[in-house]
Amino acid sequence: QVQLQESGPGLVKPSETLSLTCTVSGGSIYSYYWSWIRQAPGKGLEWIGYIYFSGSTNYNPSFKSRVTLSVDTSKKQFSLKMTSVTAADTAVYFCARADVSGVLISGWFDPWGQGTLVTVSS
Amino acid sequence: EIVLTQSPVTLSLSPGERATLSCRASQTAGNAFAWYQQKPGQAPRLLIYDASNRAAGIPARFSGSGSGTDFTLTISSLEPEDFAVYYCQLRSNWPPIFTFGPGTKVD
Repeated sequence: QVQLQESGPGLVKPSETLSLTCTVSGGSIYSYYWSWIRQAPGKGLEWIGYIYFSGSTNYNPSFKSRVTLSVDTSKKQFSLKMTSVTAADTAVYFCARADVSGVLISGWFDPWGQGTLVTVSS
Repeated sequence: EIVLTQSPVTLSLSPGERATLSCRASQTAGNAFAWYQQKPGQAPRLLIYDASNRAAGIPARFSGSGSGTDFTLTISSLEPEDFAVYYCQLRSNWPPIFTFGPGTKVD
């Protein structure tokens, strides 16, 4: 079955750019939506945004000015870049897949990657 | 912006008991609604999608109901592995924005 694996630096300095990649294995990257969701330590889940395999994107308005998602179908990867990070961006970052529902993204995420902890600190 | 409120914050029960978890949305946003289970150190696991459909491999003791602004997750008889945090999540119709509830801990 499809598996997702996040990768990237575990430590980022304040004001710098956080960059993560999610690799899709065991399934196709085509005809799905791919999303990033984060969870600050001891806190709840926060949706960051999604990208369709074709490259169209939609972001949480809370992040819109700082976040860029991209996809590389040849590598079966999609990526997150978040600029101007602060300590408040310290979190476990999950990637996840969503199906197509009609002409929209479906209303749920499955499966999820295991998550990767990113700490923002000097 | 839709806000989801989950109640109770913590549900203290014993194995074999019935668990009823609630999630209320600040405004109606269709039935693109899901429930997830999360155990410490793990990714969330999809339990219920479209408010009442069990995801693949999810035991029948988990059921979801509701529509509009009020949704419920019921675990008919708690198994030891069911003690975890449960999150609700809603997708608004347009633009498609995803919102998670703050979680209910079943302990």
